[in-house]
Amino acid sequence: EVQVVESGGGLVQPGGSLRLSCAASGFPLSGYWMSWVRQAPGKGLEWVANIKEDGSEKYYVDSVKGRFTVSRDNTKNSLFLQMNNLRAEDTAMYYCARGGLYTSAWPFDSWGQGTLVTVSS
Amino acid sequence: AIQLTQSPSSLSASVGDRVTITCRASQGITTALAWYQQKAGKAPNLLIYDASTLQSGVPSRFSGTDSGADFTLTISSLQPEDFATYYCQQFHNYPLSFGGGTKVEIK
Repeated sequence: EVQVVESGGGLVQPGGSLRLSCAASGFPLSGYWMSWVRQAPGKGLEWVANIKEDGSEKYYVDSVKGRFTVSRDNTKNSLFLQMNNLRAEDTAMYYCARGGLYTSAWPFDSWGQGTLVTVSS
Repeated sequence: AIQLTQSPSSLSASVGDRVTITCRASQGITTALAWYQQKAGKAPNLLIYDASTLQSGVPSRFSGTDSGADFTLTISSLQPEDFATYYCQQFHNYPLSFGGGTKVEIK
């Protein structure tokens, strides 16, 4: 069974840092593009970042460029999101989502349950 | 950046009704569009990709069509478990983007 499980969320002060993790199972992570998607409380979905299967390409939404870094460790079947200089507007549920097999032109066909990040003093 | 405009933002319907949701892209995205269903407190679930291809395991009452920059999700006969919020998403260009969502409520 394909499964992705996020962890690492929590309460952090503005300007602080947090590292999210996503553990993948049931499929070969090394073949898939992976994304982070977030959802602020009561709001819609926003794509945050994605990373190619081998980590050689990374893309970000403008609002997080220079503050967030996506990475992966295929040997540990894991995806990460390092979030620095956090702002109140980064408060959201963060989802890990599977993209395409050796292609970025594919929707998100498996999602985790999400991990909540709250940025507040 | 490509903007996706969904309409309506919400609707009320009864079990058995035919429901149509529209998503308009601000520029050409070929057929690189997906539809998701999200129930309260849950992660989104992929329903349709490539504008009209039904994801495995999704009931056949869901269908998608495209006409130029306009995309449509249709539920042929609304079931109790279909009350949820629906999102379109384009995967043609970066930044990837979602529509604002359509909440389907019980009349």
